[in-house]
Amino acid sequence: QSALTQPRSVSGSPGQSVTISCTGTSSDVGGYDYVSWYQQHPDKAPKLMMSDVSKRPSGVPDRFSGSKSGDTASLTISGLQAEDEADYYCYSYAGSYTLVFGGGTKLTVL
Amino acid sequence: QLQLQESGPGLVKPSETLSLTCTVSGGSISSTTYSWGWIRQPPGKGLEWIGSIFYSGSTYYSPPLKSRVTMSVDTSKNQFSLKVSSVTAADTAVYYCAKIPSGRFMDVWGKGTTVTVSS
Repeated sequence: QSALTQPRSVSGSPGQSVTISCTGTSSDVGGYDYVSWYQQHPDKAPKLMMSDVSKRPSGVPDRFSGSKSGDTASLTISGLQAEDEADYYCYSYAGSYTLVFGGGTKLTVL
Repeated sequence: QLQLQESGPGLVKPSETLSLTCTVSGGSISSTTYSWGWIRQPPGKGLEWIGSIFYSGSTYYSPPLKSRVTMSVDTSKNQFSLKVSSVTAADTAVYYCAKIPSGRFMDVWGKGTTVTVSS
């Protein structure tokens, strides 16, 4: 069972915006600004899309943005493109160099 | 450019020990600001952080797996390793190694290696 709660699936049409939520507790998401997001295409390794809540690594389009409010973090993808269709996972630092994970969200681009 | 490559047996028998190695190339494993970690993904399921290790040897394990997991680092070979004891079918997964800056997120991943637990 995952420590962080994500919706199983979200969908949107090309050009639209979607938001994926990630809910934890005050011991993880709410306690640290260290939430990260990963994109995974089928049979591929995950790719870091966002670190420390809202920091985009080099090469990640600025269509991707991150935020946090209380115990819930969010990843927003604007201007949806077909290539964004993938599974998305959130992770949070939980103290003492430990990490907790979300169950993953399948994004479908209609 | 830093690259990571997992290696090890693809098939392990139940109750035995799973052993994997991650080789780091294009950079040094000996950094005080990075840790090195293992993440796994059972078939059709999500990602699970297994644990992390600093080059100094300090280790941090996922609580549910802590009793069965051992990680080590070999700075002379620029490698770090994972052992999972008393494996069952539930340990069947793709195992990834990754670089973890300051223990907070995984920014470089290996391609993953599939391990099947079966007799």
